[in-house]
Amino acid sequence: ELKVEQNPLFLSMQEGKNYTIYCNYSTTSDRLYWYRQDPGKSLESLFVLLSNGAVKQEGRLMASLDTKARLSTLHITAAVHDLSATYFCAVVTYTGTASKLTFGTGTRLQVTL
Amino acid sequence: SAVISQKPSRDICQRGTSLTIQCQVDSQVTMMFWYRQQPGQSLTLIATANQGSEATYESGFVIDKFPISRPNLTFSTLTVSNMSPEDSSIYLCSVRTGSGYEQYFGPGTRLTVT
Repeated sequence: ELKVEQNPLFLSMQEGKNYTIYCNYSTTSDRLYWYRQDPGKSLESLFVLLSNGAVKQEGRLMASLDTKARLSTLHITAAVHDLSATYFCAVVTYTGTASKLTFGTGTRLQVTL
Repeated sequence: SAVISQKPSRDICQRGTSLTIQCQVDSQVTMMFWYRQQPGQSLTLIATANQGSEATYESGFVIDKFPISRPNLTFSTLTVSNMSPEDSSIYLCSVRTGSGYEQYFGPGTRLTVT
């Protein structure tokens, strides 16, 4: 059974600081997604990482994928309060021609002033 | 991208009743999925809705409890049958577009069973 684990589960950080969220998964996969969820809202797509070594950046967020280590990171640079949300990674697995996403446990990020 | 709407947005239902949730997409999509998110938890895939055939259910979810229809490439329904308080969750429709990579989520249906 595929396990997708994120750490930390909860992160409180001050504005202006840097931090990294880790996503580890237990089976081979070549595609990984990062989503953001605000309280009471649906999921917003942040990044789709399509191959080993992929790196994508948007604003203060940068995501990377190491398929050999089965690890993805979401790095936050100079955090601001607006980044407070829950962040999920999700891993693609395949069964025949079908594919599906399995979600990580989520990391609740709180950026304090 | 894809714009997804769900109806209802929220509902409070009595134990033993059923609720049908609708998912409408503004364009044809290759794949549609239904997820459940229990309070404070991550997302769990219920099933893949297949156009013109029976849905593919994940372990722990059965058709009698969660019947799904997908009559065309833009619409799907999920029914939560014979509800109990344990079914109180957010139910999210999700779609994958023709490119095969991006996967989008609807606004969700917040269900409370009393």
